[in-house]
Amino acid sequence: AQSVTQLDSQVPVFEEAPVELRCNYSSSVSVYLFWYVQYPNQGLQLLLKYLSGSTLVESINGFEAEFNKSQTSFHLRKPSVHISDTAEYFCAVDDGGATNKLIFGTGTLLAVQP
Amino acid sequence: ETGVTQSPTHLIKTRGQQVTLRCSSQSGHNTVSWYQQALGQGPQFIFQYYREEENGRGNFPPRFSGLQFPNYSSELNVNALELDDSALYLCASSSSKGANYGYTFGSGTRLTVV
Repeated sequence: AQSVTQLDSQVPVFEEAPVELRCNYSSSVSVYLFWYVQYPNQGLQLLLKYLSGSTLVESINGFEAEFNKSQTSFHLRKPSVHISDTAEYFCAVDDGGATNKLIFGTGTLLAVQP
Repeated sequence: ETGVTQSPTHLIKTRGQQVTLRCSSQSGHNTVSWYQQALGQGPQFIFQYYREEENGRGNFPPRFSGLQFPNYSSELNVNALELDDSALYLCASSSSKGANYGYTFGSGTRLTVV
């Protein structure tokens, strides 16, 4: 069965510093990969996704993620974070199977400090 | 276009009771998925409805059931509530089956079972 591992439950970082949130998935077949962000007391918002094509995908607010098939990873990066980036980030995979479900990791809390 | 609307936002129920949660999908979306997010965890897939038919189910007991209506809105019903059912319940709609079509999540219903 598919699974997603987010190695860090919390990542503290100072404002304007770079950050990487790690995500590994377990599959050797084609997958669709996603990063979602959840602000306090809100639902999930799609940050970016990899479906096919270029392995580097970007969001409109400066985040990027790179699909690495050999390492089964999809790490999320941002070169300079802002206080407003403080939120829970979830990596997810859809194996495109019959159930059409997203499998989420346990989340990483990005805590940006001034 | 309107997003995904869930009601109620918060709910407190007693163990053994039954609960119904509601979701209005985004305009133009015919697929609704339900997820359970326990505190400190990633969302877990409950089931998906596509054109009023169940289209996949996660590892949840039969006391979790659902419906989708002709206008593509949906209900999640939980019978014989248990303390472990306390969680944030998220509804997500999309224009077709599969996460690659892009899920739009609602803000969720926070269910507390006492």
